[in-house]
Amino acid sequence: KAGVTQTPRYLIKTRGQQVTLSCSPISGHRSVSWYQQTPGQGLQFLFEYFSETQRNKGNFPGRFSGRQFSNSRSEMNVSTLELGDSALYLCASSRVGVWETQYFGPGTRLLVL
Amino acid sequence: QQQVKQSPQSLIVQKGGISIINCAYENTAFDYFPWYQQFPGKGPALLIAIRPDVSEKKEGRFTISFNKSAKQFSLHIMDSQPGDSATYFCAARVGQIGQNFVFGPGTRLSVLP
Repeated sequence: KAGVTQTPRYLIKTRGQQVTLSCSPISGHRSVSWYQQTPGQGLQFLFEYFSETQRNKGNFPGRFSGRQFSNSRSEMNVSTLELGDSALYLCASSRVGVWETQYFGPGTRLLVL
Repeated sequence: QQQVKQSPQSLIVQKGGISIINCAYENTAFDYFPWYQQFPGKGPALLIAIRPDVSEKKEGRFTISFNKSAKQFSLHIMDSQPGDSATYFCAARVGQIGQNFVFGPGTRLSVLP
């Protein structure tokens, strides 16, 4: 079974631009979460989607948003990029009823110049 | 209250030795405590996890010890191998459904051959 896939793997943007990252969960997984990983703040939870609805949300500004499609694929969007948004963005998926066992993708490394 | 503290920040162990990483938390509502292993360029991978009604869980060379009254838990890696060299994160789930996790800052483990 294929793992969680994330595209693109690397991205360079400039301040003020917006970016959209994509995540395809493991087949059959319907819950998708997004995390930001930086050297300074570590791994921080952004939000979780289940059945196309946001179920949990971390403490990030409204510039960070996401959505989930009917096939469970998810996208996250960051608008008005800031230098501090440079990070590894990780997506994780889990099965219904086994929410706590999450499988991470390799991440998208975003560099904001 | 939503924090998980982790120590040490880095750890160097000889091959065959025991690696011990400690975590502490404050929020008694946390209900699930996983450990993740992350190699450079990869997403975190679930290693082993424990619930607060269990004091110890062992899977192969990896053991979690959990002290509910002290609000502490630790990861023990027996017979450490160079292939175990990675960054280890403890985490705790917020709420009882979904994937909302808080992570410790990580421990970089180096196992010398």
